[in-house]
Amino acid sequence: IAGITQAPTSQILAAGRRMTLRCTQDMRHNAMYWYRQDLGLGLRLIHYSNTAGTTGKGEVPDGYSVSRANTDDFPLTLASAVPSQTSVYFCASKSLAGGDTQYFGPGTRLTVL
Amino acid sequence: AQSVSQHNHHVILSEAASLELGCNYSYGGTVNLFWYVQYPGQHLQLLLKYFSGDPLVKGIKGFEAEFIKSKFSFNLRKPSVQWSDTAEYFCAVNTYSGNTPLVFGKGTRLSVIA
Repeated sequence: IAGITQAPTSQILAAGRRMTLRCTQDMRHNAMYWYRQDLGLGLRLIHYSNTAGTTGKGEVPDGYSVSRANTDDFPLTLASAVPSQTSVYFCASKSLAGGDTQYFGPGTRLTVL
Repeated sequence: AQSVSQHNHHVILSEAASLELGCNYSYGGTVNLFWYVQYPGQHLQLLLKYFSGDPLVKGIKGFEAEFIKSKFSFNLRKPSVQWSDTAEYFCAVNTYSGNTPLVFGKGTRLSVIA
């Protein structure tokens, strides 16, 4: 079982470009999440999805969009990247069976120049 | 809304020293509590979690945490740290139903020196 995979591992992107970060889980978890990790700020939730076909905004959603067409995939799109979106992005998932653990992917390091 | 405070940004300890990392949360209802660890260059891994029952929770690698409801605290402890414990530690909370995303503290960086 692979768990959660993310692609790419790292990316350098010019400002203004569009970028999609991919996330796939093979645990059949209901819920999936995108966080960004920045030094001194910890992990902040960008968007989440409690089940396929639904999404919700987290703490820092501006400039990002997500879709959840099926259970396994939860891509994060930056429509027009800006330097402040330079960060490490973590995808996570969990079962919604009361209190279950949230599992994290390996992360994508994104640099926007 | 829930929030999590971790009091120490960076802790430096010598090997074999005891560790206690503070975590306080803000939420009026029943919560699930977690400690995650992130080793350098790696993703987050679960250290331990509290859902209900015994407020003293034991996790992997000799870590434990105590839930004190009256203090809204869930401090992480280890009696004797090792160099390999050098990492960033995150406290997190979600509501008891488990249907909400985890809310994380800002993290505490632990550096263990030989």
